[in-house]
Amino acid sequence: KQEVTQIPAALSVPEGENLVLNCSFTDSAIYNLQWFRQDPGKGLTSLLLIQSSQREQTSGRLNASLDKSSGRSTLYIAASQPGDSATYLCAAHVISGTYKYIFGTGTRLKVLA
Amino acid sequence: DAGVIQSPRHEVTEMGQEVTLRCKPISGHDYLFWYRQTMMRGLELLIYFNNNVPIDDSGMPEDRFSAKMPNASFSTLKIQPSEPRDSAVYFCASSPGGSTEAFFGQGTRLTVV
Repeated sequence: KQEVTQIPAALSVPEGENLVLNCSFTDSAIYNLQWFRQDPGKGLTSLLLIQSSQREQTSGRLNASLDKSSGRSTLYIAASQPGDSATYLCAAHVISGTYKYIFGTGTRLKVLA
Repeated sequence: DAGVIQSPRHEVTEMGQEVTLRCKPISGHDYLFWYRQTMMRGLELLIYFNNNVPIDDSGMPEDRFSAKMPNASFSTLKIQPSEPRDSAVYFCASSPGGSTEAFFGQGTRLTVV
């Protein structure tokens, strides 16, 4: 059974810092790994999708990497801004006999001005 | 496309009442997912459909919960009778299939008093 873990659960940093959010998954049989952003009381906004055959994806100040063999993905945010404050969720799109997106519990990020 | 559309956005009901949540997936998407989000348990997959057929309902918590997808453009999640512990945000998501990303609706915040 796929389990997805995110650490840290919460993070508070001053504006301008580069930061790394971590996501671990137990089953490497995945189609892809997707990172989402969720603002308080809002839905999920897709940030980056990394296919299982890829090592990383970049979008603006965001860079996500994937190491299937070790069951890890990281989301790197460069030059953080107060507007980046949100909860970040990763989801593993599992293959094994099913077609599910399994979510981690999220990292709640606060960027201080 | 307007994205995944859920209704209502907010629902407050009394314990014991029937609650119906609605979802319109993105046109052309073959997969539809229902998730529940709580502070304690995060995002949990309740059930998913492929081409209108329920494939995996192992996440449905109890017989009080039921989901249907009568056609490719509409799905419902029903709770009867509702209980205070059902209070959560319920998300619907859709996906085209293959190694693709999931697209989420804005969610329905359910409060059972």
